[in-house]
Amino acid sequence: QVQLVESGGGVVQPGRSLRLSCAASGFIFSSFGVHWVRQAPGKGLEWVAVIWYDGSTKFYADSVKGRFTISRDNSENTLFLQMNSLRAEDTAVYYCARDQLGDGLGGMDVWGQGTTVTVSS
Amino acid sequence: DIVMTQSPDSLAVSLGERATINCKSSQSILYSSLAWYQQKPGLPPKLLIYRTSTRESGVPHRFSGSGSGTDFTLTISSLQAEDVAVYYCQQYFSTPRTFGQGTKVEIK
Repeated sequence: QVQLVESGGGVVQPGRSLRLSCAASGFIFSSFGVHWVRQAPGKGLEWVAVIWYDGSTKFYADSVKGRFTISRDNSENTLFLQMNSLRAEDTAVYYCARDQLGDGLGGMDVWGQGTTVTVSS
Repeated sequence: DIVMTQSPDSLAVSLGERATINCKSSQSILYSSLAWYQQKPGLPPKLLIYRTSTRESGVPHRFSGSGSGTDFTLTISSLQAEDVAVYYCQQYFSTPRTFGQGTKVEIK
């Protein structure tokens, strides 16, 4: 079935780095844009980044621009989020979500279960 | 950035009654690029409505979306117990994609 599975979350000290992965299955991964969306404890949803189907175009939220990098490996059906210079305010559940369209201009129709990132000393 | 503001923040509705959630954007959203998501505790969000009024496959007909420009609405025509959740609107007309703050729906 169509599925996204995140991994790589954990507890990390402020200023350190973490790399999240999102493994896709059950659909043609290389045809869809993919997003990262996060949710801080008890808070709402915050969009983080999007990458187009072919990896050619990426956009970021201002809150992570210059610190986070979204990438994908279509040969491995995997999405990544490299998070550097982590801050306490990056603490959240991180979801990957498939866009309905290749250029990321649709709704998010498939979501992973999320992976938890805690930034704390 | 387009700011999305939902109202109310929470509402309690009797079973079988109508629930209405409003979403207002700070700029006009073109091409009906507005989606609604449902999130139950401990679960990821689920796409309910896209393109303002198109129900995602498998979503019950009691859920409907409407609106244009800067004003959008999600309506649950007859609230069921399983509809207890937080609902978010989201615009995908421009980057950054932005969500409303969420509306918590409970049973009265």
